[in-house]
Amino acid sequence: DSGVTQTPKHLITATGQRVTLRCSPRSGDLSVYWYQQSLDQGLQFLIQYYNGEERAKGNILERFSAQQFPDLHSELNLSSLELGDSALYFCASSVGAGVRGGYTFGSGTRLTVV
Amino acid sequence: AQTVTQSQPEMSVQEAETVTLSCTYDTSENNYYLFWYKQPPSRQMILVIRQEAYKQQNATENRFSVNFQKAAKSFSLKISDSQLGDTAMYFCAFMEQGAQKLVFGQGTRLTINP
Repeated sequence: DSGVTQTPKHLITATGQRVTLRCSPRSGDLSVYWYQQSLDQGLQFLIQYYNGEERAKGNILERFSAQQFPDLHSELNLSSLELGDSALYFCASSVGAGVRGGYTFGSGTRLTVV
Repeated sequence: AQTVTQSQPEMSVQEAETVTLSCTYDTSENNYYLFWYKQPPSRQMILVIRQEAYKQQNATENRFSVNFQKAAKSFSLKISDSQLGDTAMYFCAFMEQGAQKLVFGQGTRLTINP
């Protein structure tokens, strides 16, 4: 157990729907990162939050949004889902805003859009 | 933009053999960090080893070591005395100093045969 908790582990939904993925960082970690791992594109950085504020943004679609709450857990919201959004979504956390040592990943949420 | 290339999509070796996974990267920065992550069938992303670009000495973690060639922008991973539990996808990743995101390669699927 890495200490980073992601729920749910699996999610199957239909096109056009909206889902919310949840991440609880390791105790003491202030930064949360979201990554998307799809079959044809490897791991892609989506967004980072540090202590409740957005710190960095990657290739995140406008249909996707995220937030980090006062208790430091984070949610990734995916709306108007398309077949191509099917992927493994990882959350990772780190103590600070920068991650020289590499951060700790959760076990991911497998999203299947049908 | 930084890119990371893993030229070996798949590799297979016998248990107890030594195997080397290749990784090259492209950057104009002088200070950065390099990582190898392991993703076993459980999907968990596990940090194997990391290297700071300013350090000339190659990093070592038990059976895992790297060959970091900064001028050639090469960062290979050597696994000695390979074990069945080393079977996994291995991802090379790059992070610019002060940046927030990891840039991943496409991965190498390593199979250790009994």
